[in-house]
Amino acid sequence: QSVLTQPPSVSAAPGQKVTISCSGSSSNIGIGNNYVSWYQQLPGTAPKLLIYDNNKRPSGIPDRFSGSKSGTSATLGITGLQTGDEADYYCGTWDSSLSAGVFGGGTKLTVL
Amino acid sequence: QVQLVESGGGVVQPGGSLRLSCAASGFSFSSYGMHWVRQAPGKGLDWVAFIRFDGSNQYYPDSVKGRFTISRDNSKNTLYLQMNSLRAEDTAVYYCAKDDLNWTPGQYWGRGTLVTVSS
Repeated sequence: QSVLTQPPSVSAAPGQKVTISCSGSSSNIGIGNNYVSWYQQLPGTAPKLLIYDNNKRPSGIPDRFSGSKSGTSATLGITGLQTGDEADYYCGTWDSSLSAGVFGGGTKLTVL
Repeated sequence: QVQLVESGGGVVQPGGSLRLSCAASGFSFSSYGMHWVRQAPGKGLDWVAFIRFDGSNQYYPDSVKGRFTISRDNSKNTLYLQMNSLRAEDTAVYYCAKDDLNWTPGQYWGRGTLVTVSS
């Protein structure tokens, strides 16, 4: 049981938009200074940072990827879906009550 | 460019010990916190440990607290994870990752090293 809750799977057609939710609590996402990161993981590879500090993109990440945070939840948005976006996506943040890093359980994106 | 290279994985019996290393290069290692994150076969990401830039504080989830110890040698640009009393459920690929000053794993991760706990 992960501290952060994500839907197990989402799907959409190529070119469409999808959102992935990440639900937390007042001890993690709900704290203003606890920033949310989003990672993409392709099979057999290390996770790749897509979004940091809730809504910032590292250099090289296309603006098709966006992040937002509101209250105790965060959302990853992907527009203009491509078959290459098929992957597992994880949210992560710091939990101030646990004094520990926490991840969501992961969401498998299928581009139909 | 930033590089993180893990080593030290392998097969160990339940109750045994193993020490992982992560050699860092391409950035000012002593200025950044570092994380260990693991992934069991077919499972999601599981945060294992975090150490502050100067080694002054270490943090662990309850699942490994008292068994695992994260440490660093800033003179050698190397991060360590000492794992004791290993259990079958510790079987996973272990990644080291650079913190991006926000207490979460950032842009740079190693390729991982596989730890298998089995008799």
